[in-house]
Amino acid sequence: DTGVSQNPRHKITKRGQNVTFRCDPISEHNRLYWYRQTLGQGPEFLTYFQNEAQLEKSRLLSDRFSAERPKGSFSTLEIQRTEQGDSAMYLCASTPATSRAGELFFGEGSRLTVL
Amino acid sequence: DQQVKQNSPSLSVQEGRISILNCDYTNSMFDYFLWYKKYPAEGPTFLISISSIKDKNEDGRFTVFLNKSAKHLSLHIVPSQPGDSAVYFCAASEMNYGGSQGNLIFGKGTKLSVKP
Repeated sequence: DTGVSQNPRHKITKRGQNVTFRCDPISEHNRLYWYRQTLGQGPEFLTYFQNEAQLEKSRLLSDRFSAERPKGSFSTLEIQRTEQGDSAMYLCASTPATSRAGELFFGEGSRLTVL
Repeated sequence: DQQVKQNSPSLSVQEGRISILNCDYTNSMFDYFLWYKKYPAEGPTFLISISSIKDKNEDGRFTVFLNKSAKHLSLHIVPSQPGDSAVYFCAASEMNYGGSQGNLIFGKGTKLSVKP
């Protein structure tokens, strides 16, 4: 399978705990994006990496959220001190530099449930 | 305040007929518009796009129309097939504002059901 891979697919945690999601983009895709989708809404942009550099961050990305892409390959999204409002589907997408504008290749997502 | 609006949460169409999904936007700076399709338990997949310098883009059974003066775009699927049943998201971007081309503003989606 050469698509975008996300792990874990589903995480249930208690409020206040930390969680980390991992995204493995399509090989040789240098651009990587994190989105969040809550129930009944469309995906919302969180952050963007070009190679290992984090070039854009949404104001939705509070101080409790941190994303990294240390070697320009896989990326992690960590949420500290989770709150019930963090419950959502976290989507990762990647794209090569030569893709059509706006064409993102999404993974299946990591669903977070905060109890 | 939603910048991209899909006012119809759902649409049901008979197989073989035309499906028309609508989208309105409020931000005049948007210069690129896209449609994504999403099946259950899968991530969204890119379907078709249009630049603001055009008013129509066609790809097989899918055509996107853009009316800039009305800040409205629509996706036409002709003929509709049962496999087209999915949630369709309209998205927009300010491609020329200097940021990434992947910072998209999505609508809430319209669930299309194509009945055999």
